[in-house]
Amino acid sequence: DIQMTQSPSSLSASVGDRVTITCRASQSISSYLNWYQQKPGKAPKLLIYAASSLQSGVPSRFSGSGSGTDFTLTISSLQPEDFATYYCQQSYSTSRTFGPGTKVDIK
Amino acid sequence: EVQLVQSGAEVKKPGESLRISCKGSGYSFTSYWISWVRQMPGKGLEWMGRIDPSDSYTNYSPSFQGHVTISADKSISTAYLQWSSLKASDTAMYYCARRSIDFLTAYNWFDPWGQGTLVTVSS
Repeated sequence: DIQMTQSPSSLSASVGDRVTITCRASQSISSYLNWYQQKPGKAPKLLIYAASSLQSGVPSRFSGSGSGTDFTLTISSLQPEDFATYYCQQSYSTSRTFGPGTKVDIK
Repeated sequence: EVQLVQSGAEVKKPGESLRISCKGSGYSFTSYWISWVRQMPGKGLEWMGRIDPSDSYTNYSPSFQGHVTISADKSISTAYLQWSSLKASDTAMYYCARRSIDFLTAYNWFDPWGQGTLVTVSS
């Protein structure tokens, strides 16, 4: 299986802050990388697909970049509704895998 | 509206069998794979496996192969996840998700997701 890691595992930030989350794959996955947001008690929600494509309806303050093994999710100006856990997921191999998640909470 | 609606919460005893469901609507059910994802209490997301509803071909994560069975009934646009003998460690939230794909690039992602089915296994 392709292993996914994320850093940091958690972070505290304030409204208006720029936030960057990193995801790394154990082997090259080209741009087969997606990002999801999950709030407590809710199903995950797609934010970014194919490493940098913004899902319809997702605010433009979210952006993704990277290819190969290293990827980033950036929130340009953190809003109150963005406090959640974020997961990366590779869709390169038949056996899909998720990163362990990054919890973003209020400073 | 494209949506996946899952069956309700279940409380079972160890050793019992269980099948939970995921019904698709608003799209051609046989055109998109369905995956199942486990989330244990307070933990992250784990991909379990997937099914192609058009021919019921399945792939499983090595971690779940032999422990669960994924199936589908395309006549009623429903996918299933089943256990023959539950364990306490199967206590988790289970999500189904539809694989969407860009056929030009083969990039693919999970959207939408079902609302989740909580399975509790306790004696």
